[in-house]
Amino acid sequence: DAGVTQSPTHLIKTRGQHVTLRCSPISGHKSVSWYQQVLGQGPQFIFQYYEKEERGRGNFPDRFSARQFPNYSSELNVNALLLGDSALYLCASTLGDRYHEQYFGPGTRLTVT
Amino acid sequence: DQQVKQNSPSLSVQEGRISILNCDYTNSMFDYFLWYKKYPAEGPTFLISISSIKDKNEDGRFTVFLNKSAKHLSLHIVPSQPGDSAVYFCAASSYNFNKFYFGSGTKLNVKP
Repeated sequence: DAGVTQSPTHLIKTRGQHVTLRCSPISGHKSVSWYQQVLGQGPQFIFQYYEKEERGRGNFPDRFSARQFPNYSSELNVNALLLGDSALYLCASTLGDRYHEQYFGPGTRLTVT
Repeated sequence: DQQVKQNSPSLSVQEGRISILNCDYTNSMFDYFLWYKKYPAEGPTFLISISSIKDKNEDGRFTVFLNKSAKHLSLHIVPSQPGDSAVYFCAASSYNFNKFYFGSGTKLNVKP
């Protein structure tokens, strides 16, 4: 059984650009969450989606947006990139919206120059 | 505003001994607490959890203790093994699990 997959693995962008990160949950999982992990810190919650609807949102600016597709995969979009957006972006999936056990993907390493 | 804190960035333990990792939280609305383990170049892996209605949960070598009055939880690993060397994160959520708060992690090194 495939785990959570994320693409791309690494990405280098310039300040002001836009980026789209992708996540495919474990088969059968209907909820996806996104996290930002800056070096030396723990994951910071960005969004949670369940059945294509946003169910939770962390303290991130409106430059961050996400969506979930009918097949439960998800995209995280970040506009007007800042140097401080450089981080590891993690996606996690759960069976449903009331499950605590999250399964994380390996992450996408974003570097903004 | 960090609602979950892990004040020890690192811990070194001899193989076979007990490892105790600590975590403090500030939000009394948290209902569920989790521990994750992370190896380099991998995403965090769920280890063990505890509901706020319990004060202890065991799973093999791993035991989590919750002290609600002190807003403190700890993870005990007995006996510690070199393969346990990783970064451990504690996390907390309210009952609806729509938002998780993570600590900054403790890097555990188990020496052979």
